[in-house]
Amino acid sequence: DTGVSQNPRHKITKRGQNVTFRCDPISEHNRLYWYRQTLGQGPEFLTYFQNEAQLEKSRLLSDRFSAERPKGSFSTLEIQRTEQGDSAMYLCASSLGGNSYNEQFFGPGTRLTVL
Amino acid sequence: DAKTTQPPSMDCAEGRAANLPCNHSTISGNEYVYWYRQIHSQGPQYIIHGLKNNETNEMASLIITEDRKSSTLILPHATLRDTAVYYCIVGGGGTSYGKLTFGQGTILTVHP
Repeated sequence: DTGVSQNPRHKITKRGQNVTFRCDPISEHNRLYWYRQTLGQGPEFLTYFQNEAQLEKSRLLSDRFSAERPKGSFSTLEIQRTEQGDSAMYLCASSLGGNSYNEQFFGPGTRLTVL
Repeated sequence: DAKTTQPPSMDCAEGRAANLPCNHSTISGNEYVYWYRQIHSQGPQYIIHGLKNNETNEMASLIITEDRKSSTLILPHATLRDTAVYYCIVGGGGTSYGKLTFGQGTILTVHP
């Protein structure tokens, strides 16, 4: 257990439905990241928050995806009008800020299956 | 795209050293080398990172060539629990916010 929690752990939905995932980072970490991982591939960066500010979004994050971190603590990732291609593991990670490298601590992920 | 090249798979006998190579010939002067691993059904786990000098911690050693175009991660006494996908990542260090660009990694299988 890294201290980063994600809920739900599994989500099965029908194409066209909206889904929302939650990430609770380690409490003192001000950096939060979302990644997506498909079978047999390494994780792909989606977006990054420094406290409550979303500072970078990957081109992978289409208009159907939105992420928030309203109070600089937990974060949510919403996918609207899900498609079968959205099926993947969604990983959240957090790290300390500062002037030196701080390792990212990953949660267990949310596995999404779109039918 | 990932800036590193790793063998897709490697085997190692339990108790022996596992040496995982990584090629990063296009690394720039201020980029670090990071290693993470991912055990099945878990999120990735940080192992070690370095810039120019060799590094060692409680998990592993990192050997970086003098020209910095390649590196080797060494697990000195591999155990069955070290079976995982190992990712070599090149990216900004220091004050960089640390976005990780993963490749496909090396599947290390440790045999009894």
